[in-house]
Amino acid sequence: DADVTQTPRNRITKTGKRIMLECSQTKGHDRMYWYRQDPGLGLRLIYYSFDVKDINKGEISDGYSVSRQAQAKFSLSLESAIPNQTALYFCATSDPTRPWILFFGSGTQLSVL
Amino acid sequence: GENVEQHPSTLSVQEGDSAVIKCTYSDSASNYFPWYKQELGKGPQLIIDIRSNVGEKKDQRIAVTLNKTAKHFSLHITETQPEDSAVYFCAASIGYSTLTFGKGTMLLVSP
Repeated sequence: DADVTQTPRNRITKTGKRIMLECSQTKGHDRMYWYRQDPGLGLRLIYYSFDVKDINKGEISDGYSVSRQAQAKFSLSLESAIPNQTALYFCATSDPTRPWILFFGSGTQLSVL
Repeated sequence: GENVEQHPSTLSVQEGDSAVIKCTYSDSASNYFPWYKQELGKGPQLIIDIRSNVGEKKDQRIAVTLNKTAKHFSLHITETQPEDSAVYFCAASIGYSTLTFGKGTMLLVSP
């Protein structure tokens, strides 16, 4: 089984809909992250959490929210999806003693029509 | 904040040739420099990392070099194979803060 599991793998939704992407991990890591990947733009940080009670905005947090339900679970929500949020979304985890080593899930491809 | 520039955006080589990907960073306080490989349909995976107190690190066909004075670091892949075809990302971080990624390089190794 994968250490970092993202659901769903693919999602098509319409403009204005609320959508939630979920992430769970079995690595026992305290730190969890949500990244967005767009062609030619690399990986950009949306939100991150260093423990259950900690939530921090990344460089592109507008239009997104997150919830850290437990050490192992970190979900990303789009309250009202718009077409330019069409992207590949990745959840990642890291050990606080080596935070530059990220463990990524397989990604969720989101299309907003 | 930190800014990481990565070049080239695409790189095509023949099998057996070497490939070099270069990155520059803006904040001289950055001290961890990992490289990630992303295969089609998968999430990125760490392939090698270097810390600011080391100038070069090798792992089989992969090597990374760091020039702190010039604030640039490079990934070198020797004897490339078709399975090296992927997107490669460089990244930098200051201490135990979050990573800043480059925009990625798509490497294509032709048989």
